[in-house]
Amino acid sequence: DQQVKQNSPSLSVQEGRISILNCDYTNSMFDYFLWYKKYPAEGPTFLISISSIKDKNEDGRFTVFLNKSAKHLSLHIVPSQPGDSAVYFCAASAYGNQFYFGTGTSLTVIP
Amino acid sequence: EAQVTQNPRYLITVTGKKLTVTCSQNMNHEYMSWYRQDPGLGLRQIYYSMNVEVTDKGDVPEGYKVSRKEKRNFPLILESPSPNQTSLYFCASRLGGGAIQYFGAGTRLSVL
Repeated sequence: DQQVKQNSPSLSVQEGRISILNCDYTNSMFDYFLWYKKYPAEGPTFLISISSIKDKNEDGRFTVFLNKSAKHLSLHIVPSQPGDSAVYFCAASAYGNQFYFGTGTSLTVIP
Repeated sequence: EAQVTQNPRYLITVTGKKLTVTCSQNMNHEYMSWYRQDPGLGLRQIYYSMNVEVTDKGDVPEGYKVSRKEKRNFPLILESPSPNQTSLYFCASRLGGGAIQYFGAGTRLSVL
């Protein structure tokens, strides 16, 4: 049973516009959330994280929002750039041992 | 350069022939994990290790073994591979609980 879900397999956005990637989770014990970015033929690389005591974390063009009551996580990329085209995975953890990943969203930024 | 190294990157084998995928990290991380990535299922954790000689099952451990005899190495062993283990495998390491994971480049395994 998938505890972390990314319901949009793909997303296309024009360069310079905002990309919003969404993630839902079912386990209320999750206390740490991360976004990873993956290019073809490479392993995932860490992008940004947020703990459950916060509702927002920002790092340059990337912002992650956490809505605990809705069990919803989103990643905003502003402005989107062609180099952001990749597969994005959200992940969640409870107590930092096991990590649960979503199925990924393939983002295409159109120049 | 800080990295997680997996070998081989590609492997084709036949059902029942034992194989080992190696994983090594040079960051002195305590935690290491193995994941498999399948279409429509994302990354699923197979096994993880919190330190030398300490391992535990993840979500999909059936058909796999691991060992952690040294801090830097965490091999994944398939004693009798089957076609349903055809997948893309990733090794990852991290400094401690909840910390950022660093992934290897992946091993694409096909079991015929």
